[in-house]
Amino acid sequence: EAGVTQFPSHSVIEKGQTVTLRCDPISGHDNLYWYRRVMGKEIKFLLHFVKESKQDESGMPNNRFLAERTGGTYSTLKVQPAELEDSGVYFCASSQWGGVNGYTFGSGTRLTVV
Amino acid sequence: DAKTTQPPSMDCAEGRAANLPCNHSTISGNEYVYWYRQIHSQGPQYIIHGLKNNETNEMASLIITEDRKSSTLILPHATLRDTAVYYCIVRANAGGTSYGKLTFGQGTILTVHP
Repeated sequence: EAGVTQFPSHSVIEKGQTVTLRCDPISGHDNLYWYRRVMGKEIKFLLHFVKESKQDESGMPNNRFLAERTGGTYSTLKVQPAELEDSGVYFCASSQWGGVNGYTFGSGTRLTVV
Repeated sequence: DAKTTQPPSMDCAEGRAANLPCNHSTISGNEYVYWYRQIHSQGPQYIIHGLKNNETNEMASLIITEDRKSSTLILPHATLRDTAVYYCIVRANAGGTSYGKLTFGQGTILTVHP
């Protein structure tokens, strides 16, 4: 089966611009998660979708971040306006049954804000 | 904050068993122990999980102490490709809104050398 796909793989934008990251989960996986690692820090949870609904968005850092999953398939994470501290690697993951048997992560999008 | 403690780094000779310890002294009765690894800049990869019984799959074995306060991940015949950061994570698989969330710590950097 195809894995979790994220694009772009890399993005370089200027401070104040908008960037949209996309994640295509494994087909049939109702659960989709966003995580990120900013420079020198640990991987941090951002949010969890079950189908199109936000199950847990406790990790979203502020209202500059907007995640959507229309139709319960792919998801987008928009950062508007981007700040320097948003630089890092954004990972998406998907699972069946809430991840009881583990998640499958994508390769990530490396975001650099200059 | 992560509820686990791991050594920051370990070395292992190729072909030998790698034994990675993890302390989780405050684990709750409904929390599972999960292990993931991250190879270089790829997304984290699920390895194995368990509740209280020892578990084995094609990648590794997981040994959980009887009191469940610690566990050991065993890679039986480490190869150079097993060089990665290994994360031990405790997670409840049901209840509340945050059941899907993984809390990553610093992990253990395992270096497998020839």
